[in-house]
Amino acid sequence: QKEVEQNSGPLSVPEGAIASLNCTYSDRGSQSFFWYRQYSGKSPELIMSIYSNGDKEDGRFTAQLNKASQYVSLLIRDSQPSDSATYLCAVNPPLDSTLTFGKGTMLLVSP
Amino acid sequence: EAQVTQNPRYLITVTGKKLTVTCSQNMNHEYMSWYRQDPGLGLRQIYYSMNVEVTDKGDVPEGYKVSRKEKRNFPLILESPSPNQTSLYFCASLEGLGFSTQYFGPGTRLTVL
Repeated sequence: QKEVEQNSGPLSVPEGAIASLNCTYSDRGSQSFFWYRQYSGKSPELIMSIYSNGDKEDGRFTAQLNKASQYVSLLIRDSQPSDSATYLCAVNPPLDSTLTFGKGTMLLVSP
Repeated sequence: EAQVTQNPRYLITVTGKKLTVTCSQNMNHEYMSWYRQDPGLGLRQIYYSMNVEVTDKGDVPEGYKVSRKEKRNFPLILESPSPNQTSLYFCASLEGLGFSTQYFGPGTRLTVL
């Protein structure tokens, strides 16, 4: 069974802090992992993709992948109030043409 | 401008009245998909299509139909809507199967009374 687990939050951080969002998945052998940001009432927007173990950085965002632990995380440095949104983790299971989403973690960044 | 459009954006209907939600993309993408999003359940895939005349079930296909007669269009059909299909629906398209270029439409909020 395909499962992607996220803490629903909300995760509250002050402006300028590092926000750490976590995700675990059940399908060992999954190769593709994605983080989407979704503002309230809006459609999801892809912000990061990662395929190999280790870190991938893009501006203030860093995605981290550990396939042995079936764990993927997203770090947001210098968090801004505009980062307040729900962050969705998504996994493409092996030999599968679908994308499985976690339920999302709400992030609140206070000024 | 690259975009995925959905119509209608909001719809209130009654149980059993057939409806169609349209989805169109202008990026010549092969892969298109429909999701529903419900509080506490997250985003779940209903159906997807890897190309014209090729469709397959996602995780929650019951009560839905789709068709892919043209590359740009992927309508979602509810033959006999029920209240448990009240949800926020998103259409998405991407080039190839990498999911790294998936674009979502603006969403359709459906209420079935």
